[in-house]
Amino acid sequence: LAKTTQPISMDSYEGQEVNITCSHNNIATNDYITWYQQFPSQGPRFIIQGYKTKVTNEVASLFIPADRKSSTLSLPRVSLSDTAVYYCLVGDKTSGTYKYIFGTGTRLKVLA
Amino acid sequence: EADIYQTPRYLVIGTGKKITLECSQTMGHDKMYWYQQDPGMELHLIHYSYGVNSTEKGDLSSESTVSRIRTEHFPLTLESARPSHTSQYLCASSDWPREATYEQYFGPGTRLTVT
Repeated sequence: LAKTTQPISMDSYEGQEVNITCSHNNIATNDYITWYQQFPSQGPRFIIQGYKTKVTNEVASLFIPADRKSSTLSLPRVSLSDTAVYYCLVGDKTSGTYKYIFGTGTRLKVLA
Repeated sequence: EADIYQTPRYLVIGTGKKITLECSQTMGHDKMYWYQQDPGMELHLIHYSYGVNSTEKGDLSSESTVSRIRTEHFPLTLESARPSHTSQYLCASSDWPREATYEQYFGPGTRLTVT
């Protein structure tokens, strides 16, 4: 399973766009990139998943360059309620292992 | 919205007691997982299951054991609790490859304190 590297923490202000970059230099051909959000005392919640280029849903966008060695989670116009830990994971959907490795994540603090 | 439940939510227990943390999901998912997370720290996979009668140890060694007799139920047991077992325990399930994305649905967690 590929190891990921993310910034430990980030601060932002309400209404700003937040971009969190994740490095995964050893990503394998079959690996997908997934982002989760976790609030204190709760389980992580799936945000978005992608393989290449750009994926967008109602809460975020995921940008993946052609070499796939990094990815960027983009949160548009954050609010105080977006203060949480964000995890970037890579995992192989085809190997049958179904396992993820959660790293330390990025602690995002949104300020008023 | 995912339907995965954990009980109890909070548990304070003395050293040496046997405890079972319950996890149930009503989504019919084959894959289920147990993670351990200390406050402010990363999640560590301690057990997982591919289906009924399947259990595997995760990446973090744990003194706990699990069983999977029914698809919807994945309890975790500690035969003799110790203070070092104090942590939050998170249960999750997934339905890949039937789902298009590989998403794990997490329960609310059980916060265990062993005194």
